[in-house]
Amino acid sequence: KAGVTQTPRYLIKTRGQQVTLSCSPISGHRSVSWYQQTPGQGLQFLFEYFSETQRNKGNFPGRFSGRQFSNSRSEMNVSTLELGDSALYLCASSSRRDRGGDEQFFGPGTRLTVL
Amino acid sequence: EDKVVQSPLSLVVHEGDTVTLNCSYEVTNFRSLLWYKQEKKAPTFLFMLTSSGIEKKSGRLSSILDKKELFSILNITATQTGDSAVYLCAVEPFQGAQKLVFGQGTRLTINP
Repeated sequence: KAGVTQTPRYLIKTRGQQVTLSCSPISGHRSVSWYQQTPGQGLQFLFEYFSETQRNKGNFPGRFSGRQFSNSRSEMNVSTLELGDSALYLCASSSRRDRGGDEQFFGPGTRLTVL
Repeated sequence: EDKVVQSPLSLVVHEGDTVTLNCSYEVTNFRSLLWYKQEKKAPTFLFMLTSSGIEKKSGRLSSILDKKELFSILNITATQTGDSAVYLCAVEPFQGAQKLVFGQGTRLTINP
């Protein structure tokens, strides 16, 4: 079974631009979560999608948004980029059964650099 | 606010040593605790713990959860240089949606 894939792997943008990152979950997984990882703040939850609906959102400004498609693929968008948005953006998928938690499997991440 | 604290933040040992990594947490409506290993990019899943006192084991790695004292430990025996990585502890609150709260991680270095 193929793992979680993310594209692109690396991205360089300048302040004020916007960016779209893509995540394809493991086949059959319906839940996709996004995380931002920086040296200072560690891994922080951005949002989670299940069946095309955002179910939970972390403490990030409205410049960060996402969506999920009917095939469970997800995209996240960051508008008006700031230098502080430079980070590794990780996507994780899980099968999300209702009873008991399910482990989340992470993709390789997209390294975003904002100049 | 939900919080996960790992200790130590950094640990350097010699190959063959046994190490214990700690994770304490404060979270409303605890659902599960997960351990991940992160070497270069993606964190890779190690264990998920939901019940107190039941040890999960995989080769030289094992982990146990104490829900009364709100902590978990990850043990690695007979360490190898390939165990060098950042070990992340995360807690999932029961919110009807999957949101992991991560600790800062423990950077483990195994010297030959």
